[in-house]
Amino acid sequence: SQTIHQWPATLVQPVGSPLSLECTVEGTSNPNLYWYRQAAGRGLQLLFYSVGIGQISSEVPQNLSASRPQDRQFILSSKKLLLSDSGFYLCAWSLGGFPYNSPLHFGNGTRLTVT
Amino acid sequence: KNQVEQSPQSLIILEGKNCTLQCNYTVSPFSNLRWYKQDTGRGPVSLTIMTFSENTKSNGRYTATLDADTKQSSLHITASQLSDSASYICVVSAMDSSYKLIFGSGTRLLVRP
Repeated sequence: SQTIHQWPATLVQPVGSPLSLECTVEGTSNPNLYWYRQAAGRGLQLLFYSVGIGQISSEVPQNLSASRPQDRQFILSSKKLLLSDSGFYLCAWSLGGFPYNSPLHFGNGTRLTVT
Repeated sequence: KNQVEQSPQSLIILEGKNCTLQCNYTVSPFSNLRWYKQDTGRGPVSLTIMTFSENTKSNGRYTATLDADTKQSSLHITASQLSDSASYICVVSAMDSSYKLIFGSGTRLLVRP
């Protein structure tokens, strides 16, 4: 069966510090991978998605970046965190190809607080 | 503009009672509609996915309905349990941008003993 791992679960970082959140998927090949951010009381916002190694699409201009160095590894990074980067970050995967009827499978998220 | 609106924002019910959550959308062209359950501090978990040709789908005590003509969906929870306390999120996929799901802001359900 497929599993998704996301870490760390919580993170407190000072403004201006770097960020690296990691997500790995097991039990499937060539998945579509996603990074979402969830603000309190609001819907999930897509940050990045990837359909293959090295292929990253950005949805929202910001000081965050994403990389996919391996088929089942997705990394969210920042060189310098802003206070507005605080939030709940979720990694997700779906079956490869156009996911018309394919559900998203989410990790358990990372609660990031920038102080 | 593609939007998904959910109501009510929050709901409190007694254990054992039924409830219905609403979702209205303006996404076009429509591909599918999904309901997710999100426990506090956890990632969402898929409950159902429905395409335009499906008007009802069940998953245990959860039953989702879809009216593609009026662009409305509902999630009915039968015989609620304390573990049903969570946020329920309606998500719509547009045919022309399948990677870009449109998320509702969710209904927060609290089931009290």
